[in-house]
Amino acid sequence: EPEVTQTPSHQVTQMGQEVILRCVPISNHLYFYWYRQILGQKVEFLVSFYNNEISEKSEIFDDQFSVERPDGSNFTLKIRSTKLEDSAMYFCASTAGQAGQPQHFGDGTRLSIL
Amino acid sequence: RKEVEQDPGPFNVPEGATVAFNCTYSNSASQSFFWYRQDCRKEPKLLMSVYSSGNEDGRFTAQLNRASQYISLLIRDSKLSDSATYLCVVTRAAGNKLTFGGGTRVLVKP
Repeated sequence: EPEVTQTPSHQVTQMGQEVILRCVPISNHLYFYWYRQILGQKVEFLVSFYNNEISEKSEIFDDQFSVERPDGSNFTLKIRSTKLEDSAMYFCASTAGQAGQPQHFGDGTRLSIL
Repeated sequence: RKEVEQDPGPFNVPEGATVAFNCTYSNSASQSFFWYRQDCRKEPKLLMSVYSSGNEDGRFTAQLNRASQYISLLIRDSKLSDSATYLCVVTRAAGNKLTFGGGTRVLVKP
């Protein structure tokens, strides 16, 4: 069964540094997402991406965050200047987008900011 | 009011027993509904979609009540492997973001 893959599985970074989290969505999917989950809290939406542009973003997704689909397969999340509160699991998801079709999640990147 | 509310539990369930729990959602424009399961520090995995007429997948039964804006999940003949956090998830339309509840923790014990 095709799956969403994410790298790295764990990223440790000093506060103030830039990080790039990478995702390869399922190949025939058209909608891509990033979510995050702070330890012990619920999964929160960050951003959705369709047709090479952001379709929706949450208030968490401020100007320190950006997304890019640099080629036909990768989908990246960049955090320009990390803060301690950015420490979380970051999940990428994708869907074909037809009504009722679920989103499929990658196994996540654990981001630890020191 | 939270967009999607769930009883956090934990629900301690003897192996072989039945457990049921609900979630409520606040946005009446929600169109699609799902139950995901999440194991500790893992990604959410789709358990089942929830249809208006209710649906069953093996030991799992989901119900949707649009008038009261709640969704339920029932697990029959619980297995030890059913121990997980069950996430109630709603979305407004195809392609839209998912909105997650905080999850209901289920612990199945021998």
